[in-house]
Amino acid sequence: GENVEQHPSTLSVQEGDSAVIKCTYSDSASNYFPWYKQELGKRPQLIIDIRSNVGEKKDQRIAVTLNKTAKHFSLHITETQPEDSAVYFCAASTGTNAGKSTFGDGTTLTVKP
Amino acid sequence: EAGVTQSPTHLIKTRGQQATLRCSPISGHTSVYWYQQALGLGLQFLLWYDEGEERNRGNFPPRFSGRQFPNYSSELNVNALELEDSALYLCASSPVDRGAYEQYFGPGTRLTVT
Repeated sequence: GENVEQHPSTLSVQEGDSAVIKCTYSDSASNYFPWYKQELGKRPQLIIDIRSNVGEKKDQRIAVTLNKTAKHFSLHITETQPEDSAVYFCAASTGTNAGKSTFGDGTTLTVKP
Repeated sequence: EAGVTQSPTHLIKTRGQQATLRCSPISGHTSVYWYQQALGLGLQFLLWYDEGEERNRGNFPPRFSGRQFPNYSSELNVNALELEDSALYLCASSPVDRGAYEQYFGPGTRLTVT
């Protein structure tokens, strides 16, 4: 089955700096890669996603890149703010027919003011 | 539009008992997914239901089971509870034409087994 590894497990940055979280996956059939943000005590919220036919996607301060050959994808957050502090999860899915997402173990991001 | 709802918010059971957790998807969503999130860990896929049928299952023992009702709401049943079943159980739903894409999560049910 699919295996998703996420690094680092914890990340601390100063406000205004950039943060990068990386994930690797094992199943070459995976074609959908979402990122979720989970604040303490709250539900995971989808913040950005990318499909395998796209190499990069941006949404304001966040971006995701995908390297299908190397089977890795990354989340980039620029100009970090204290409210970006949360646990971030990556996931990989084979999409409609599998209906199953495999999640990374999460990265705890702390943005220091 | 109302989001995914789950009940109860918290559930306390003793070892050996059975637990029933409930989930109502977003209106119009036919797929429901269940995940287990142990404290400080990632999400582990449990079950996927679509159009009333179980479509896929994660690496969990048979005592984890569920069903989906005609209105697309879902139940997760955990039999013969063990201490390690203590976790946050999250339900998610997705639109009929998107399958595993764009899952929307509920607030979760915190199950504590003593």
